[in-house]
Amino acid sequence: EDQVTQSPEALRLQEGESSSLNCSYTVSGLRGLFWYRQDPGKGPEFLFTLYSAGEEKEKERLKATLTKKESFLHITAPKPEDSATYLCAVQATGRRALTFGSGTRLQVQP
Amino acid sequence: DTAVSQTPKYLVTQMGNDKSIKCEQNLGHDTMYWYKQDSKKFLKIMFSYNNKELIINETVPNRFSPKSPDKAHLNLHINSLELGDSAVYFCASSKTGDRFEQYFGPGTRLTVT
Repeated sequence: EDQVTQSPEALRLQEGESSSLNCSYTVSGLRGLFWYRQDPGKGPEFLFTLYSAGEEKEKERLKATLTKKESFLHITAPKPEDSATYLCAVQATGRRALTFGSGTRLQVQP
Repeated sequence: DTAVSQTPKYLVTQMGNDKSIKCEQNLGHDTMYWYKQDSKKFLKIMFSYNNKELIINETVPNRFSPKSPDKAHLNLHINSLELGDSAVYFCASSKTGDRFEQYFGPGTRLTVT
């Protein structure tokens, strides 16, 4: 069974304090690993897809990396507007559904 | 705006009632999904339709019945609502191909009293 574990559960940073979020996964065959951002009361917003180990994607202050067992979402010099829950999900080969982790709640204080 | 939309955004109802949630996407996608997000924030797949054909039907009580009249619409009807059905229900869509990025609607918060 596909499994996704995210850590930490919650993270509080000062503005400008860089950090990383972790997503560990177990899947029979990985088609893709997805990162989403979810603001309170809203639907998940797509950020990145990673397909193979060693791949990296960047968007503004966010950078996602992938190994064969985990993915990291690096946040460089975060701002208060980066505060949100970040969700990681995997899609197994031959499946359409995504298996989600429980998310990391990020709070960036000014 | 191109997006996935859902109605209603909030739904408060009593146990035993029947209710429906509607979803529409104008992204030109051919696959649509229903996910349930529980109080612990886990998103779990319930159903998926591809070109109006049901392709995913996870272990969900048969009180839940999805219907897809066309590629752009997916509805969820729930019979005999129970307290445990209280959750946020998200619709999502994607396009068949090499990339299966799914785009989500704003969610419907269902509260059963």
